[in-house]
Amino acid sequence: EAQVTQNPRYLITVTGKKLTVTCSQNMNHEYMSWYRQDPGLGLRQIYYSMNVEVTDKGDVPEGYKVSRKEKRNFPLILESPSPNQTSLYFCASRLGTATPDTQYFGPGTRLTVL
Amino acid sequence: EDQVTQSPEALRLQEGESSSLNCSYTVSGLRGLFWYRQDPGKGPEFLFTLYSAGEEKEKERLKATLTKKESFLHITAPKPEDSATYLCAVQAVGFQKLVFGTGTRLLVSP
Repeated sequence: EAQVTQNPRYLITVTGKKLTVTCSQNMNHEYMSWYRQDPGLGLRQIYYSMNVEVTDKGDVPEGYKVSRKEKRNFPLILESPSPNQTSLYFCASRLGTATPDTQYFGPGTRLTVL
Repeated sequence: EDQVTQSPEALRLQEGESSSLNCSYTVSGLRGLFWYRQDPGKGPEFLFTLYSAGEEKEKERLKATLTKKESFLHITAPKPEDSATYLCAVQAVGFQKLVFGTGTRLLVSP
C-alpha cells in the first residue's frame, strides 16, 4: 500500500531534550516536506527536500533540522526543543518537482514540549 | 506574498442541505490549486487538483470549481460522514511549496 509513515505518533518531552521524528515513504517520491499545524495558523512548511542530499528551508525553519540521505526517508530533528514547538507535525511527499503533483500526507505526530 | 483565505471558518448543515465552501487566493502565477479533507487528528487527504480557470472536478457529492481569484467546493446533499475540515492550498509558478488556508470546519447533522 502506498503510504507515508511517521513515528512516533505521539510524543511528550521536556525542554532541551533532543528528539527525532522519522518519516518514510514507499512511493519512490522525489519531493518530501515537513509541516506543522497550529490552530488558527493552518499548515506551515518547515523544510523541504527536492531529492537526496537536497534540502531547503520553508517558512518556519527555526529550531529544526532535516536530512535526506536516502530517497525514502526524511527525518525531522529538534536539537533543543522548546514549548513553542508544541504542535501537530505532518510529513508529506509527492512524485516530482517539475509538475504540481498530488502531495500525500502522513498521519501526523503530536508533539508536546513541557 | 501568496495568500489563501477560506470562508466560512465553520459551517453547520443538515443532512441533505447543499452548500459551498470558498477559497480565495492571491498568487503571482497559479501552478495548481488543491483541495484536501482532514479528519480530526489525521493527515490531510487529497481530494482535487485544479490547474486553470474554468476547470471543474467531481467526486461523489463534491464538486470543485476554479476562477482566476477563487475556488469553490460545492457539497451536494451532504451526509454526516462528510463532516471534516476542508483545506485549500495553492502552488505558485516557480515555487515548490504549498500555501494553505486555515480551512473550513464542516459539520453535517443527521
